[in-house]
Amino acid sequence: DTGVSQDPRHKITKRGQNVTFRCDPISEHNRLYWYRQTLGQGPEFLTYFQNEAQLEKSRLLSDRFSAERPKGSFSTLEIQRTEQGDSAMYLCASSLDSGSGTQYFGPGTRLLVL
Amino acid sequence: TQLLEQSPQFLSIQEGENLTVYCNSSSVFSSLQWYRQEPGEGPVLLVTVVTGGEVKKLKRLTFQFGDARKDSSLHITAAQPGDTGLYLCAGVINYGQNFVFGPGTRLSVLP
Repeated sequence: DTGVSQDPRHKITKRGQNVTFRCDPISEHNRLYWYRQTLGQGPEFLTYFQNEAQLEKSRLLSDRFSAERPKGSFSTLEIQRTEQGDSAMYLCASSLDSGSGTQYFGPGTRLLVL
Repeated sequence: TQLLEQSPQFLSIQEGENLTVYCNSSSVFSSLQWYRQEPGEGPVLLVTVVTGGEVKKLKRLTFQFGDARKDSSLHITAAQPGDTGLYLCAGVINYGQNFVFGPGTRLSVLP
């Protein structure tokens, strides 16, 4: 399967703990995106990378959130000192930087903060 | 303010009925995508449209992109329970770098 993969699929943590999620994009895609989705809503943009450079961050991305894509391939999203309001589905997508810019999504990581 | 609006927000119909859902913006899309998402899963791409007036068909699904590239519709013929899900439109606005999503239409097709 050469689609976007995410790990873990589910994470349950206690408030105050740190969590890290991983995303492996489609191999030839140089753009990688992170989104957050809460129940009943569409995905909300968090940040995106062009190769290893983080080009844009949403205001939703507080100081407790950090994302990296060190070699321009996989990416990690870390949430420090989790809060109950961080409970959501975290989606990763990738695309080429040419053509229509269509994004292809991974299955998501569902985070529950107790 | 939503950059992208979708209507209706919820739709519940009987198997075999036809339906149309809409996606609207006041801005011009350089490209627009429709996705379907099932609970606990990521959005799955259905179609990409890029040309004003473009019509694409995918089995029982017909997608239309408005002439001015500010709106789109998805028509489903003879809906089936397997069509149940959250239908999201999304796209790149004004050739920018951001990909924006609508809030989605939640469709339920009852057997």
